[in-house]
Amino acid sequence: KQEVTQIPAALSVPEGENLVLNCSFTDSAIYNLQWFRQDPGKGLTSLLLIQSSQREQTSGRLNASLDKSSGRSTLYIAASQPGDSATYLCAVFSNAGNMLTFGGGTRLMVKP
Amino acid sequence: EAQVTQNPRYLITVTGKKLTVTCSQNMNHEYMSWYRQDPGLGLRQIYYSMNVEVTDKGDVPEGYKVSRKEKRNFPLILESPSPNQTSLYFCASSFSRLNTGELFFGEGSRLTVL
Repeated sequence: KQEVTQIPAALSVPEGENLVLNCSFTDSAIYNLQWFRQDPGKGLTSLLLIQSSQREQTSGRLNASLDKSSGRSTLYIAASQPGDSATYLCAVFSNAGNMLTFGGGTRLMVKP
Repeated sequence: EAQVTQNPRYLITVTGKKLTVTCSQNMNHEYMSWYRQDPGLGLRQIYYSMNVEVTDKGDVPEGYKVSRKEKRNFPLILESPSPNQTSLYFCASSFSRLNTGELFFGEGSRLTVL
């Protein structure tokens, strides 16, 4: 059964810092991996989707990488801003059983 | 505007009183799914549907039913709600039948069962 782990669980940084969020998964047989953002009391917003054949995806200040063989993905946020404060979740869509498995999330606080 | 709409957004009910949470998407997506989010347990998949009349169980299907009679709608039915179904529920949809595309989420439905 696929397991997805996100480290750290919480992170507090000053505005302007570059930061990296980590996501690891146990079964490398995946279709894709997605990074989401969740604001308090809100639904999830898709940030980046990486297909299993891709190594990375970029959108603005965000860059996500995927190393399928080692079961790892990172989300890099450049020049962080207070508006980036939210919980970031990664989710892996596994080949087996068409299941989407979420990590526990990283709660990010960017201080002005 | 492309969106996934859930109703109700907030609901307090009592044990055993049947309820339905509706989910509708306007993007002609084939794949739809339901999740519940609980503190310390994260997001867990309840049911999913790869197309009309095609549904399957996720990780935590017990106590829930779904139906997919139309492509745009995927209601979640709690026949006899119990307090352990108190949770935040999310509906999501994706263009690809195999969910290999971007997943769009609704705003969530917060359910309390007394």
